[in-house]
Amino acid sequence: GQNIDQPTEMTATEGAIVQINCTYQTSGFNGLFWYQQHAGEAPTFLSYNVLDGLEEKGRFSSFLSRSKGYSYLLLKELQMKDSASYLCAVEDSNYQLIWGAGTKLIIKP
Amino acid sequence: IAGITQAPTSQILAAGRRMTLRCTQDMRHNAMYWYRQDLGLGLRLIHYSNTAGTTGKGEVPDGYSVSRANTDDFPLTLASAVPSQTSVYFCASSDRAESYNEQFFGPGTRLTVL
Repeated sequence: GQNIDQPTEMTATEGAIVQINCTYQTSGFNGLFWYQQHAGEAPTFLSYNVLDGLEEKGRFSSFLSRSKGYSYLLLKELQMKDSASYLCAVEDSNYQLIWGAGTKLIIKP
Repeated sequence: IAGITQAPTSQILAAGRRMTLRCTQDMRHNAMYWYRQDLGLGLRLIHYSNTAGTTGKGEVPDGYSVSRANTDDFPLTLASAVPSQTSVYFCASSDRAESYNEQFFGPGTRLTVL
């Protein structure tokens, strides 16, 4: 079967760093996506990884290890506006996205 | 129009009624998708279309139908709504010709079936 696991909820402090993990088992792998979703809004694209290693984009970085079926999203210098759900999704061999349930990130002052 | 629009924004529907959720994109993307999002579950694919004139079933297609008569529009129809179809529905699109399949989402339709 296909499975993507992420923690349900995490709490962090404004200005700090937080790492959100994602592990996956899918039928094939064509890439891994991270999306951000604020409450009541649509998901928006954050990052894409297809090769092993770290992709950095401003305060956000995403890491992938294909051999371990593992990714993480690293958020630095946390701001209150980063309070949102973070969704991990894997593109399978049929080029469809398989989605994790999302990690709700709560930022405290 | 910029991006993807969905209508209605929200709807309360009596069980057994027929309902069509509308989705329109102006990005000329070839692929379009319908997802439902329920609390504690990830986005689940209902139906998709890789190009105008073709459609396919996703993970949870039962009770739903779609059509793709042109590039821009991808309506989702519930033939006879049931309470388990209460959910938030997102339409998305992507350009499959791009190097990776980034999907762009509409604002969603919140549907309640009583």
